Amino acid sequence: GGIITQTPKFLIGQEGQKLTLKCQQNFNHDTMYWYRQDSGKGLRLIYYSITENDLQKGDLSEGYDASREKKSSFSLTVTSAQKNEMAVFLCASTTGRHTGQLYFGEGSKLTVL
Amino acid sequence: GEQVEQRPPHLSVREGDSAVITCTYTDPNSYYFFWYKQEPGASLQLLMKVFSSTEINEGQGFTVLLNKKDTRLSLNLTAAHPGDSAAYFCAVSAGVDSNYQLIWGSGTKLIIKP
Repeated sequence: GGIITQTPKFLIGQEGQKLTLKCQQNFNHDTMYWYRQDSGKGLRLIYYSITENDLQKGDLSEGYDASREKKSSFSLTVTSAQKNEMAVFLCASTTGRHTGQLYFGEGSKLTVL
Repeated sequence: GEQVEQRPPHLSVREGDSAVITCTYTDPNSYYFFWYKQEPGASLQLLMKVFSSTEINEGQGFTVLLNKKDTRLSLNLTAAHPGDSAAYFCAVSAGVDSNYQLIWGSGTKLIIKP
């Protein structure tokens, strides 16, 4: 079996700071995702990538950048952290988008002071 | 675009009792429906899926029912046990028409009391 590893698990930053979250998968999956999970809300898609060096914006991409330099890794950058961005960021991957079978990491919790 | 409403946000039942979580969706062309489970401190994992063509799926003590007429998806737990305590999320996709994007419900925190 494979695993998705997100780092860091907890990230504390200052308002206005640029912050980066990293995600590694060893499933050899083509497609990877970044979601944001706010309390009481469903997962919202920030970015996804269907292959190395591909980036596709989700509904929540404003204020974020992403990078997929290798098939196994997908990073997300909060370009200027805001207090209302305290949330859990989830990375996921899938062998095929049509399957709906996503494999998730354990999440990275962002706190902005 | 597609919207998915999930109810209830919190649900507490006794061990052995049944529980029902419901999602209503807006796009009648939705074809793929999923339920994910997130145990405390763990990652989301796919629990069950159902397609528009099949409308029902059973397994692991759960039944997933799709009512296309009412655009409603339900997750039915017949006899709850402590291991079922978790957050449950529905996700809906219209398939190729929506570029396979999943639209998620807001989640239900299910607590099983002894």
